[in-house]
Amino acid sequence: DAGVTQSPTHLIKTRGQQVTLRCSPKSGHDTVSWYQQALGQGPQFIFQYYEEEERQRGNFPDRFSGHQFPNYSSELNVNALLLGDSALYLCASSYAGIQETQYFGPGTRLLVL
Amino acid sequence: TQLLEQSPQFLSIQEGENLTVYCNSSSVFSSLQWYRQEPGEGPVLLVTVVTGGEVKKLKRLTFQFGDARKDSSLHITAAQTGDTGLYLCAGAQSNFNKFYFGSGTKLNVKP
Repeated sequence: DAGVTQSPTHLIKTRGQQVTLRCSPKSGHDTVSWYQQALGQGPQFIFQYYEEEERQRGNFPDRFSGHQFPNYSSELNVNALLLGDSALYLCASSYAGIQETQYFGPGTRLLVL
Repeated sequence: TQLLEQSPQFLSIQEGENLTVYCNSSSVFSSLQWYRQEPGEGPVLLVTVVTGGEVKKLKRLTFQFGDARKDSSLHITAAQTGDTGLYLCAGAQSNFNKFYFGSGTKLNVKP
């Protein structure tokens, strides 16, 4: 049973560019949440997708957008990258019926130069 | 401002010692999770507590959810070097759609 997978593992971009990160949820899970974790801090909630719609959003600008596909996988897009967007981006999946339990992927390390 | 405050931020102890990590908030949570995170990896779920006053044990780890569901603690007995890592608490409010994380406690267990 594959857990949550994310790609790519590492990414280097320059300011102003756009980036797309991908996540496949754990088998049987239908809900995907995205988090940003800056160095030395706890993860910050970006948004959550369920039934292909954004259901909840944290305090992140519109430059951060996402999508969920019919197979429950998800993408996180960040436009007009800033240096401060450098972080570990984590995807977590859960099952709508047991939402208090979520499982995290290994993350994508994004460096913006 | 963090909704969940963890203390201490850093802890360095010798193998065999006991320790307690605290997670406090002024807000009520429907559930609270504890995770351990290794450098460069995603957090790994250790436990979920949902009932005020609940105590859960996982081998040498004991987790407690406060009666008012505003705080939690993690106690490790006889720490081992393998316990080294970043311990994070995360709370979910009524709709479980959004999880708030503390800033973490970085634990180093020395041999």
